[in-house]
Amino acid sequence: ETGVTQTPRHLVMGMTNKKSLKCEQHLGHNAMYWYKQSAKKPLELMFVYSLEERVENNSVPSRFSPECPNSSHLFLHLHTLQPEDSALYLCASSQAGTQYFGPGTRLTVL
Amino acid sequence: GQQVMQIPQYQHVQEGEDFTTYCNSSTTLSNIQWYKQRPGGHPVFLIQLVKSGEVKKQKRLTFQFGEAKKNSSLHITATQTTDVGTYFCAGNQGAQKLVFGQGTRLTINP
Repeated sequence: ETGVTQTPRHLVMGMTNKKSLKCEQHLGHNAMYWYKQSAKKPLELMFVYSLEERVENNSVPSRFSPECPNSSHLFLHLHTLQPEDSALYLCASSQAGTQYFGPGTRLTVL
Repeated sequence: GQQVMQIPQYQHVQEGEDFTTYCNSSTTLSNIQWYKQRPGGHPVFLIQLVKSGEVKKQKRLTFQFGEAKKNSSLHITATQTTDVGTYFCAGNQGAQKLVFGQGTRLTINP
């Protein structure tokens, strides 16, 4: 499945680093999402973008900053993260409600 | 806000046994979706139920949507090792947002 791609697939960063996660969808969908998946909260919605406008921000700390430059691309900028932010970060896109997930970025914060 | 509860959290069965996971919403849903995530993979859409009392089948998988559109179940008949993974239900809260249950992790003893 190559409809939704994510890079990098694995990322290790220190708490003072700045990094970005990238998501790209090739399905022509008009909505994109960031989810956090960890052992404590299996699928936690972070951000929703519809037609490139942010429509949902689920009380996510400001150290996570999303960016949606166009309907095909979504970024998650990371800075001064904490070890508890280590998780699988999943991107998804949708058109009529059904969500198509990317493979995820496995993030480890040291 | 809307909550979607899923039970059990874990289920271990012998190959050939049946398996059922249940999903309950605090509010009436417009529709419900089911996803499967294989170990090390990402969630993949299985099916969507829309109508009150709807029952759909996919080979050995049977999906039901309750009459009140607040609960749903997934039943697998005669499990196989390929059924291993985590099964998520997701309630539709508007066209662009899904609320996911915590998932049921299925493991199978061959």
